[in-house]
Amino acid sequence: DAKTTQPNSMESNEEEPVHLPCNHSTISGTDYIHWYRQLPSQGPEYVIHGLTSNVNNRMASLAIAEDRKSSTLILHRATLRDAAVYYCIGRTGAQKLVFGQGTRLTINP
Amino acid sequence: GAGVSQSPSNKVTEKGKDVELRCDPISGHTALYWYRQSLGQGLEFLIYFQGNSAPDKSGLPSDRFSAERTGGSVSTLTIQRTQQEDSAVYLCASSSPGGLNYGYTFGSGTRLTVV
Repeated sequence: DAKTTQPNSMESNEEEPVHLPCNHSTISGTDYIHWYRQLPSQGPEYVIHGLTSNVNNRMASLAIAEDRKSSTLILHRATLRDAAVYYCIGRTGAQKLVFGQGTRLTINP
Repeated sequence: GAGVSQSPSNKVTEKGKDVELRCDPISGHTALYWYRQSLGQGLEFLIYFQGNSAPDKSGLPSDRFSAERTGGSVSTLTIQRTQQEDSAVYLCASSSPGGLNYGYTFGSGTRLTVV
């Protein structure tokens, strides 16, 4: 799996957009970028994934740089329930996911 | 079931005892994964089952750890002669056939405390 780099922590305010960055400069052309999040005292949950094009779903949007060396997870309107650790993972084929330390997101009321 | 089910949710055991942790994946999911998460740490991969293929055991930390998956469904993670450093939350996940474009669904985990 491609190595990814994320900030250790970020803070935002409720009802504001949040942009969570991820660098993956060594990603190969066929590695997918996956995002998971882990709420307190829960197992991780799938958020979104993509390859080259930007992706949207009910939870978030994923913006992938043209050179694919970085991506950004966008929460359009953060709520207190979005406070979690967010993991960005570069996945090779159907290989197992390798989780890093992630970004701890704090949402202020 | 609707999700990945793990049991027990909490387990306290004495050092040196054996424990068994159970995972019941989503019906039809052929891939099953075990991870563990020590307090305040990230997820550590343990073992991966995919269909009838030989499991990927590369993450098992010692020979005290083993896992099996019967009938391509339920999986049991066994830790023999438990040590205090085995204390962690053990998480199981499953994914759909293929796995490439499908997300993992995680269970709520088993919190193991070795005293």
